[in-house]
Amino acid sequence: GQQLNQSPQSMFIQEGEDVSMNCTSSSIFNTWLWYKQDPGEGPVLLIALYKAGELTSNGRLTAQFGITRKDSFLNISASIPSDVGIYFCAGLANFGNEKLTFGTGTRLTIIP
Amino acid sequence: DTGVSQDPRHKITKRGQNVTFRCDPISEHNRLYWYRQTLGQGPEFLTYFQNEAQLEKSRLLSDRFSAERPKGSFSTLEIQRTEQGDSAMYLCAATSGSVNTGELFFGEGSRLTVL
Repeated sequence: GQQLNQSPQSMFIQEGEDVSMNCTSSSIFNTWLWYKQDPGEGPVLLIALYKAGELTSNGRLTAQFGITRKDSFLNISASIPSDVGIYFCAGLANFGNEKLTFGTGTRLTIIP
Repeated sequence: DTGVSQDPRHKITKRGQNVTFRCDPISEHNRLYWYRQTLGQGPEFLTYFQNEAQLEKSRLLSDRFSAERPKGSFSTLEIQRTEQGDSAMYLCAATSGSVNTGELFFGEGSRLTVL
């Protein structure tokens, strides 16, 4: 099935650094979401975006809904050890559509 | 705690056997989804229930797969005649409301290994 393209695939950073990742699609999505998945667990919702150009924050996390509706960005400031995990973007083509399309994931590792 | 429980967490089976996974959301979650996640990939949509009605199925759901939600509460996903390609994490997600906003509560998943 279709998956959104995320980059980078993996990141190795030091504690305290800022992180940026993005997600792109060849088609338009009207809702963008970011989830985080820890090993052996299900994904957990971080941020939801419903309007093109929208910039939304959740603590140290900030996400943006791209103007073209074909991309989204997630930034994490001042990373801490519990930020380790896999970050997935997800999109809904239409509000009310039942199928959530996920990205391929960005794996974040913090180097001690 | 997301309010979505899945059982079993791990299942190892031989090719050709049938397996069944169960998902228990909290009572407020009228909308229930099954997703499949293979190693290194994001979850892929399999099917959706609103209350007891199965309203959408993905092409990924072959005729060996069947899902039910008989009373609009718990749900089961059965795979018959398992194949090695069925090895994956099967995730259940649920939420409430009349419209899907994409804000889902996922269970911890059931990992299937087919030998």
